[in-house]
Amino acid sequence: DGGITQSPKYLFRKEGQNVTLSCEQNLNHDAMYWYRQDPGQGLRLIYYSQIVNDFQKGDIAEGYSVSREKKESFPLTVTSAQKNPTAFYLCASSIRAINNEQFFGPGTRLTVL
Amino acid sequence: AQKVTQAQTEISVVEKEDVTLDCVYETRDTTYYLFWYKQPPSGELVFLIRRNSFDEQNEISGRYSWNFQKSTSSFNFTITASQVVDSAVYFCALSEADWDTGFQKLVFGTGTRLLVSP
Repeated sequence: DGGITQSPKYLFRKEGQNVTLSCEQNLNHDAMYWYRQDPGQGLRLIYYSQIVNDFQKGDIAEGYSVSREKKESFPLTVTSAQKNPTAFYLCASSIRAINNEQFFGPGTRLTVL
Repeated sequence: AQKVTQAQTEISVVEKEDVTLDCVYETRDTTYYLFWYKQPPSGELVFLIRRNSFDEQNEISGRYSWNFQKSTSSFNFTITASQVVDSAVYFCALSEADWDTGFQKLVFGTGTRLLVSP
């Protein structure tokens, strides 16, 4: 089945630790995205990648880092520099980065203890 | 900057009622796209529709229909004969062009939570 997988579904982290969220897609999409969702708010763009080996900061990139070494994979690292990392993180992909619908993964809920 | 407003935070209806979710947007682009997504309790966003700014024709898909009115900058979503399975958060989104990179990102509204009770 084609789709986007994110792991883990729930993640707990101690304050001061870095943590990496996985995102894999087998849709052969060029573009991939990371969003953050907080209660009662819409989605905010963290990072996006239009092609392999290229990525750009979104609206709230501070405290996060990404890599895009393979077309299928776009992992997100939440660093200790992120002041308020507890949130729901959604990964998405689209055929191209322009005007196409984005398809979303099931999300990872990160809680900092 | 582009903006999407979903003024209804939460709507509660009884099964079989019709319900309309409002979406108002602001943009200076002449070409843009509008989207609706559904987020069920599982958390994954499900794509419902994409509409470009040049196509103002209303669209119907089963119990779902969308009314796009450029004159009022609105893209409203109606569910006819609602069902319990329609309970979810619904997001409206607008594509926003970054003229430096050529990238078009989605700007999301804050969502409307729809509760359909039996």
